[in-house]
Amino acid sequence: SAVISQKPSRDICQRGTSLTIQCQVDSQVTMMFWYRQQPGQSLTLIATANQGSEATYESGFVIDKFPISRPNLTFSTLTVSNMSPEDSSIYLCSVFGTGTYEQYFGPGTRLTVT
Amino acid sequence: AQRVTQPEKLLSVFKGAPVELKCNYSYSGSPELFWYVQYSRQRLQLLLRHISRESIKGFTADLNKGETSFHLKKPFAQEEDSAMYYCATDTGRRALTFGSGTRLQVQP
Repeated sequence: SAVISQKPSRDICQRGTSLTIQCQVDSQVTMMFWYRQQPGQSLTLIATANQGSEATYESGFVIDKFPISRPNLTFSTLTVSNMSPEDSSIYLCSVFGTGTYEQYFGPGTRLTVT
Repeated sequence: AQRVTQPEKLLSVFKGAPVELKCNYSYSGSPELFWYVQYSRQRLQLLLRHISRESIKGFTADLNKGETSFHLKKPFAQEEDSAMYYCATDTGRRALTFGSGTRLQVQP
């Protein structure tokens, strides 16, 4: 299994500012994933973060808006830049458990942009 | 690209009634399919995956390639089954594509 923590758990931010979300895993993992869940919507993959390489972004998501860091095998950050109300969402990170096909999710960061 | 469709936003049943949560997928190859569940105030967690062919908490799901479906079933619903259920498929890069989710309400 994998235990994931995220900081902050929630935040209310003003338009035009940036927020960095931290994701910490209790074991070393190769791949970390960042998802977004907009109000009333399903989860959408933002990007995949591998340690030692640039993150791979999905269609509709760009590095300038969602820069990601992956400094080691247990930690990653996602920054939501120049925020607008449309960025109000729950942001989740996830990893695969070691040797399993089960994907584990963090508790999420609930972001509200005013 | 893979797509997962869950046609029902809400499914309400009475305790003891059978449950079927529908999921259809579009994928030309051999998909990896999953059901994830999110109980109130808990994080998203894996319920079952088609390869394992397990029954978890009384739920089963059979992959029907002819109908491209992976419906989740339980013969007798319990109140504690009330939750949000997401069908998902692997993108081929180990990330997941999720359906829109179905909220199951089991009434006493």
